[in-house]
Amino acid sequence: GAGVSQSPRYKVAKRGQDVALRCDPISGHVSLFWYQQALGQGPEFLTYFQNEAQLDKSGLPSDRFFAERPEGSVSTLKIQRTQQEDSAVYLCASSNLSGTSGGAFETQYFGPGTRLLVL
Amino acid sequence: EDKVVQSPLSLVVHEGDTVTLNCSYEVTNFRSLLWYKQEKKAPTFLFMLTSSGIEKKSGRLSSILDKKELSSILNITATQTGDSAIYLCAVVERDDKIIFGKGTRLHILP
Repeated sequence: GAGVSQSPRYKVAKRGQDVALRCDPISGHVSLFWYQQALGQGPEFLTYFQNEAQLDKSGLPSDRFFAERPEGSVSTLKIQRTQQEDSAVYLCASSNLSGTSGGAFETQYFGPGTRLLVL
Repeated sequence: EDKVVQSPLSLVVHEGDTVTLNCSYEVTNFRSLLWYKQEKKAPTFLFMLTSSGIEKKSGRLSSILDKKELSSILNITATQTGDSAIYLCAVVERDDKIIFGKGTRLHILP
């Protein structure tokens, strides 16, 4: 079946522009995660949704980062007034288990990511 | 500060060699340790380890957790060029946090 998909795959933005990154999770998956992976680093947790509820946004690096999942399926990560340090691959993952304490981290499937370059 | 450290950061070997990748961790409340293979961009799941001393195997790959030493190893025997990738280790904590290491970049020469 279809896996997690993300779009666009590549995005070049000028510093100060706003960007929106889309994630389509596996159909029926209740949990959705966003990660930021800088060059040469491992993924860093940004935020977690259970259905449409954003239950953890502790990893968002600043108030320029905003994520939503209004209907409990597709999610959008928005970055306002992009800075060069925002350049990274943004990974989305989904799980059919609900709750980070219920094993959702351990059963997540990752998408191919969006590579964002801010000039 | 909680952390996950992988070593080596990069490794180049010849096809057919055996490699051992290391992951050590310092976390407050360990729940599980995960290994992923990352080719291009999407990490794909390899193993989940929760109990010390029990080896998990999948084909030429195997992994084991040592809770006393706060570490895990990932072994790949008879390596093939298709094993070239970044191998990520992540630790999940009981307070619902996940921490990834920086990964080991493995390159297999034909």
